[in-house]
Amino acid sequence: GENVEQHPSTLSVQEGDSAVIKCTYSDSASNYFPWYKQELGKGPQLIIDIRSNVGEKKDQRIAVTLNKTAKHFSLHITETQPEDSAVYFCAASRGTGFQKLVFGTGTRLLVSP
Amino acid sequence: GAVVSQHPSWVICKSGTSVKIECRSLDFQATTMFWYRQFPKQSLMLMATSNEGSKATYEQGVEKDKFLINHASLTLSTLTVTSAHPEDSSFYICSARGRSGRSYEQYFGPGTRLTVT
Repeated sequence: GENVEQHPSTLSVQEGDSAVIKCTYSDSASNYFPWYKQELGKGPQLIIDIRSNVGEKKDQRIAVTLNKTAKHFSLHITETQPEDSAVYFCAASRGTGFQKLVFGTGTRLLVSP
Repeated sequence: GAVVSQHPSWVICKSGTSVKIECRSLDFQATTMFWYRQFPKQSLMLMATSNEGSKATYEQGVEKDKFLINHASLTLSTLTVTSAHPEDSSFYICSARGRSGRSYEQYFGPGTRLTVT
């Protein structure tokens, strides 16, 4: 089955710096890669996703890149703000319907003012 | 759009009693719903997957007689923890996936914190 590895487990940056979180996956049939932000005591919030037919996607300060050959994808946050502090999870799945998401272990991002 | 609600947000119950948690997709029809459990500072652990009107598919190691899942409609799924014990205390989160146009994305509810005393 699919296995998703995520690193780093913790990341501390200064406000305004960039943050990069990386994930690797094992199942070459995976074709959907979302990223979630989870604040303390809340459910995960989908912040950006990418499908395997695209190499990069950007939404304001957030971008995701995908390298299918190497089976890895990354989340890039630019101009970080204190409210970006949270736990970020990457995930991978084979697509729609019953296909389940396999999550990474999470990255705790701390943005210091 | 794509809002998923859960009720209650937190619940405290006594050992041996049953607790029901509701999960609703508010602005889309959820063809598939998922139930997760999350321990402190850990990732999400998938418990079961269900399609509307079908029996749930449970992950290995999850007791289906203890965690009853009913996907009654395209907007509602319930998780009932039967004969709860302190070890069932956890953060339970549901998610929902919709039809074409939203068939890849999985949206999560806010979670329910269960404490069994």
